[in-house]
Amino acid sequence: NAGVMQNPRHLVRRRGQEARLRCSPMKGHSHVYWYRQLPEEGLKFMVYLQKENIIDESGMPKERFSAEFPKEGPSILRIQQVVRGDSAAYFCASSLGQGSTEQYFGPGTRLTVT
Amino acid sequence: AQSVTQLGSHVSVSEGALVLLRCNYSSSVPPYLFWYVQYPNQGLQLLLKYTSAATLVKGINGFEAEFKKSETSFHLTKPSAHMSDAAEYFCAVTINNNDMRFGAGTRLTVKP
Repeated sequence: NAGVMQNPRHLVRRRGQEARLRCSPMKGHSHVYWYRQLPEEGLKFMVYLQKENIIDESGMPKERFSAEFPKEGPSILRIQQVVRGDSAAYFCASSLGQGSTEQYFGPGTRLTVT
Repeated sequence: AQSVTQLGSHVSVSEGALVLLRCNYSSSVPPYLFWYVQYPNQGLQLLLKYTSAATLVKGINGFEAEFKKSETSFHLTKPSAHMSDAAEYFCAVTINNNDMRFGAGTRLTVKP
């Protein structure tokens, strides 16, 4: 029973390039959450998605960031025209939804912008 | 909106000593509270959670936490620290599972 999968684990991008981070939830989970962790800080909520729907994106920067969770395939967090300040660890979590309070976290993707 | 505050960004204890990591929450409605542990370069692992069933919650690796409404606290404790407990610990709160708000984290160091 595989846990939450994220890939790549490490991603290096030059300023101005695009970064695509993927998250496959646990089997049977239909709810996905994305968090960002800056160095020496806690996790900050970014977005909450269900299949084909964005439920809450109150933590997403207004520009350059987008997220999707298609009917088939993993959830994608996309960052366009990356800047140095985007360097962080990005964690995905999934849950069963339907009142479930427990989120299971993936190992994270560490993005470095050079 | 709900939030948590972790008192002390770094805590150092000797092996075998009591571990106490502090967390205070703020919420206008009854919250769900969690403690997660993060080892270097890894994701978060759930230690324990409070969902209103019992105020004293036991988790993995010998950790437990007590929900105290009067003090708005959810402190994490372990009677005897082990070297393998050295990690970053995060307290988190949610009220509707739409988003989970994390504290800034407490780094636990265990001295031999």
